[in-house]
Amino acid sequence: QKEVEQDPGPLSVPEGAIVSLNCTYSNSAFQYFMWYRQYSRKGPELLMYTYSSGNKEDGRFTAQVDKSSKYISLFIRDSQPSDSATYLCAMINSGGYQKVTFGTGTKLQVIP
Amino acid sequence: DADVTQTPRNRITKTGKRIMLECSQTKGHDRMYWYRQDPGLGLRLIYYSFDVKDINKGEISDGYSVSRQAQAKFSLSLESAIPNQTALYFCATSPTSGRARDEQFFGPGTRLTVL
Repeated sequence: QKEVEQDPGPLSVPEGAIVSLNCTYSNSAFQYFMWYRQYSRKGPELLMYTYSSGNKEDGRFTAQVDKSSKYISLFIRDSQPSDSATYLCAMINSGGYQKVTFGTGTKLQVIP
Repeated sequence: DADVTQTPRNRITKTGKRIMLECSQTKGHDRMYWYRQDPGLGLRLIYYSFDVKDINKGEISDGYSVSRQAQAKFSLSLESAIPNQTALYFCATSPTSGRARDEQFFGPGTRLTVL
């Protein structure tokens, strides 16, 4: 079983829709949670970072963490064609060298 | 802008050839990483280095070697390339301390095809 599970998609939505992207994890040592966005032919870029359960909002993006269920989500409100990308969840455990474990990524397409 | 660059961006080679992928950064970060990305498998860590004298194996280091020539340069070598090393390779950097410590900054990637 993978430590981090992420639905690969692809997910196709109309412009303006609310998008929900999700990851589940099995390692209870994960304490820091991130979402990276990767455009085609580019490297991933950090989009959201959180280390506690609950919600964190940044503009149209909301990151949600539920440590009791080992489940994290990224919500995108009023989705735009420019949001079309692959979204990778990423997690770091609290001990050792802070190795980053990435999900496989969900490909999102927002249709105008 | 401080940046992470990778060369080459694309490379096609044959089985058995030696290949070197290079990474340079102007971010001033001590930590550098090499990942490969495959469809359905995501990003997997090959090697990482916390400073010039520090080299560590990641989860999939077999068939690869690295060299940290300077704080700003970290090279990945495939001594004898094989077809299942066909993948997208990323170099990344991160600072040692501060709020951005957990963020990794990725280069644009090298698409490697081994025939």
